[in-house]
Amino acid sequence: DVKVTQSSRYLVKRTGEKVFLECVQDMDHENMFWYRQDPGLGLRLIYFSYDVKMKEKGDIPEGYSVSREKKERFSLILESASTNQTSMYLCASSTIGRFSYEQYFGPGTRLTVT
Amino acid sequence: GDSVTQMEGPVTLSEEAFLTINCTYTATGYPSLFWYVQYPGEGLQLLLKATKADDKGSNKGFEATYRKETTSFHLEKGSVQVSDSAVYFCAQAHTGTASKLTFGTGTRLQVTL
Repeated sequence: DVKVTQSSRYLVKRTGEKVFLECVQDMDHENMFWYRQDPGLGLRLIYFSYDVKMKEKGDIPEGYSVSREKKERFSLILESASTNQTSMYLCASSTIGRFSYEQYFGPGTRLTVT
Repeated sequence: GDSVTQMEGPVTLSEEAFLTINCTYTATGYPSLFWYVQYPGEGLQLLLKATKADDKGSNKGFEATYRKETTSFHLEKGSVQVSDSAVYFCAQAHTGTASKLTFGTGTRLQVTL
């Protein structure tokens, strides 16, 4: 059974803290994604990685960075958390080629910044 | 740029009612189109897809037809169940990078007995 796991389901952090969200997939997928999900705005892509150490900015990269040192792991970093980064964060992965559109999602991390 | 517009929710239906959730897209060319579903407490999962005009995607009793004339991909089900209660997202493959998807805002469906 394919699996994408995220390090926490719920996280509460203070303004200004450095926050790490971890995502691990066991499907040997090349592509990995970080989204944030907000009511009325749907899913918005933060960053995309198509290979180890390779990354591409999504639609809303400001205030975030990412790291992909190993194929199976993709980390999202909030350098200095702010209250407007309170959101649900979803990680996804996909293969390449003709089935690359099928993204497999983790359960999400609900981050609250106070 | 690419965008997907879907109807606002929530949609509340009684069990066995007919469901339609509207979705339209804006893109150059003819992108592949998808419906993803998010059940409570879970991540999204692919429900169905259509990769070219006039294709019909189907799964679990849900259907959607790729209509290039109206740039639409409406989701339908003839008889909904309580277990269909979820958030439904329409999505299109990104022009230029097929691995990336552009999602709509999601439509919450609530089915009651």
